[in-house]
Amino acid sequence: DTEVTQTPKHLVMGMTNKKSLKCEQHMGHRAMYWYKQKAKKPPELMFVYSYEKLSINESVPSRFSPECPNSSLLNLHLHALQPEDSALYLCASSSGGAGYEQYFGPGTRLTVT
Amino acid sequence: AQSVAQPEDQVNVAEGNPLTVKCTYSVSGNPYLFWYVQYPNRGLQFLLKYITGDNLVKGSYGFEAEFNKSQTSFHLKKPSALVSDSALYFCAVRDMRQAGTALIFGKGTTLSVSS
Repeated sequence: DTEVTQTPKHLVMGMTNKKSLKCEQHMGHRAMYWYKQKAKKPPELMFVYSYEKLSINESVPSRFSPECPNSSLLNLHLHALQPEDSALYLCASSSGGAGYEQYFGPGTRLTVT
Repeated sequence: AQSVAQPEDQVNVAEGNPLTVKCTYSVSGNPYLFWYVQYPNRGLQFLLKYITGDNLVKGSYGFEAEFNKSQTSFHLKKPSALVSDSALYFCAVRDMRQAGTALIFGKGTTLSVSS
């Protein structure tokens, strides 16, 4: 099973709302990632978790808060977002070792109104 | 600093013709290179990678890529294009920071295959 699942598929939220994105993988991968992608642009790395610990935070605003409850789950908590945060949010996982490819989920299409 | 460049925003080919999507890289040390494809409203799908060994790498869906160290290139190729190959293609290089395997992506190349 090489599947990464993400829920919800679509999310519309107001600027004062609090919501969460969820990502799950059952491949035994020890590295998990959040990316933000604007239309027809490359994914931009937000966070990397390695062995359930945050290893990279690409200077992401604090209105985005990641959480890794266990090795299979990755959450992204959203609060007080701005309209420019509207994008496709992609989760990925990999074995974590050098040279291993990342497997991506289908993404959550987020619209901030 | 590490980077990858995809010099073409769009590549147009006719079905049945060979296709090439170009990628060049700039890294210190040995590069770990990847190709991904993204269909509309979907996540990225892994196609192939070069880590070490044979310079010609074969991947999914009939795609292959040639690693050329002297030209610092990793072009994606397919002998005979299909209309269903039309998609957005990303070249990526492994980010050597810390212990993670984060990727640095090129800007992407849109492949359009006409029937």
